Amino acid sequence: DAKTTQPPSMDCAEGRAANLPCNHSTISGNEYVYWYRQIHSQGPQYIIHGLKNNETNEMASLIITEDRKSSTLILPHATLRDTAVYYCIVRVDGGATNKLIFGTGTLLAVQP
Amino acid sequence: KAGVTQTPRYLIKTRGQQVTLSCSPISGHRSVSWYQQTPGQGLQFLFEYFSETQRNKGNFPGRFSGRQFSNSRSEMNVSTLELGDSALYLCASSLNSSGAYNEQFFGPGTRLTVL
Repeated sequence: DAKTTQPPSMDCAEGRAANLPCNHSTISGNEYVYWYRQIHSQGPQYIIHGLKNNETNEMASLIITEDRKSSTLILPHATLRDTAVYYCIVRVDGGATNKLIFGTGTLLAVQP
Repeated sequence: KAGVTQTPRYLIKTRGQQVTLSCSPISGHRSVSWYQQTPGQGLQFLFEYFSETQRNKGNFPGRFSGRQFSNSRSEMNVSTLELGDSALYLCASSLNSSGAYNEQFFGPGTRLTVL
């Protein structure tokens, strides 16, 4: 079973920041938080991941709370092309498998 | 660099038939994973291969099987198709079997419809 909880849907105005929350209250010390997104009719796409420090790349920022029980993915300037289902996943890095356990994700609808 | 390719992209079969789906990973990638996506169950892990060996298997019946070839290409087979097997089948490739920052790259999927 997925170890994360996300809101089923969110709206965001184009050009504004999209803040997608994720709850992972049972996360273990060696588990990372990963974010993937799936645009309609395409395969999931990796966005970002982190352990306990905040992370930023060209796509997004990841803010992880100090107790690591929740995190927020931030798309700084959402565009219509960011409309997708966003999945928050926790998994061990360095384990013997690449298996990802997807939850139900958050459908982000960017409005013009 | 070419991405993950899956063939065919669309497939229609009837109940009782079998089907073989193919996945070509990104050049140099040695790990291939398969996922099934349905509206009811979402994205579910099927199995994972690395260097021609199955490393992990999801909770699916034995009708679902797969293999990986020496060139890392992978196939999955579903025998005795059921209506509930209608789904988008996704393949993901990654460089290694494990390790930090082992990003997975997904293909576009094969849409299987069972009539």
